[in-house]
Amino acid sequence: AQKVTQAQTEISVVEKEDVTLDCVYETRDTTYYLFWYKQPPSGELVFLIRRNSFDEQNEISGRYSWNFQKSTSSFNFTITASQVVDSAVYFCALSDLNLMDTGRRALTFGSGTRLQVQP
Amino acid sequence: GAGVSQSPSNKVTEKGKDVELRCDPISGHTALYWYRQSLGQGLEFLIYFQGNSAPDKSGLPSDRFSAERTGGSVSTLTIQRTQQEDSAVYLCASSLVGQLAKNIQYFGAGTRLSVL
Repeated sequence: AQKVTQAQTEISVVEKEDVTLDCVYETRDTTYYLFWYKQPPSGELVFLIRRNSFDEQNEISGRYSWNFQKSTSSFNFTITASQVVDSAVYFCALSDLNLMDTGRRALTFGSGTRLQVQP
Repeated sequence: GAGVSQSPSNKVTEKGKDVELRCDPISGHTALYWYRQSLGQGLEFLIYFQGNSAPDKSGLPSDRFSAERTGGSVSTLTIQRTQQEDSAVYLCASSLVGQLAKNIQYFGAGTRLSVL
């Protein structure tokens, strides 16, 4: 069975602070995908990033960066110089990685971390 | 449309009534998912459609829940004899399939269902 744990329920920071959202996962699969989604107040989940389990290279996209460590089963997300527009609920998720891409591909989500960025 | 469209955005119903929730996926996306987001429960998978294959219904919580997808596009999630515990946000997602798709799912804004 798959499980994703986001231990931080809510984080509040002041604008321009850096913030890291933690994600720890469990899976029996040797290959898998990891994701981060953002859910602003409008409710629509917005895709941020996907990583393959066999690619542990960290990634940076503007103010966002992701640290994937297979040894600790973690996929943490850092926002540098946070802004008020970053306020949202952030979800970490996991799915199978079938190279033939067949079958059910449902995402297993963590419970989310609500980030509030104060001006 | 450009994104996944869901309707209605909000639905209030009385306990025991049936409700239908609609999802219009991104054009060309053959995979379609329904998820439920409940307070304290996070996001949970309900059902999955892929092309003409039989749907994967393994996430449906009870036989009061059913879904169909007509013509490989629009999907309807039906909840019969609604209960208060059915109150949640129902999210629909769609994706391409194939190795290049990388299982990236695109979500609609959801339908917030309130059962009184």
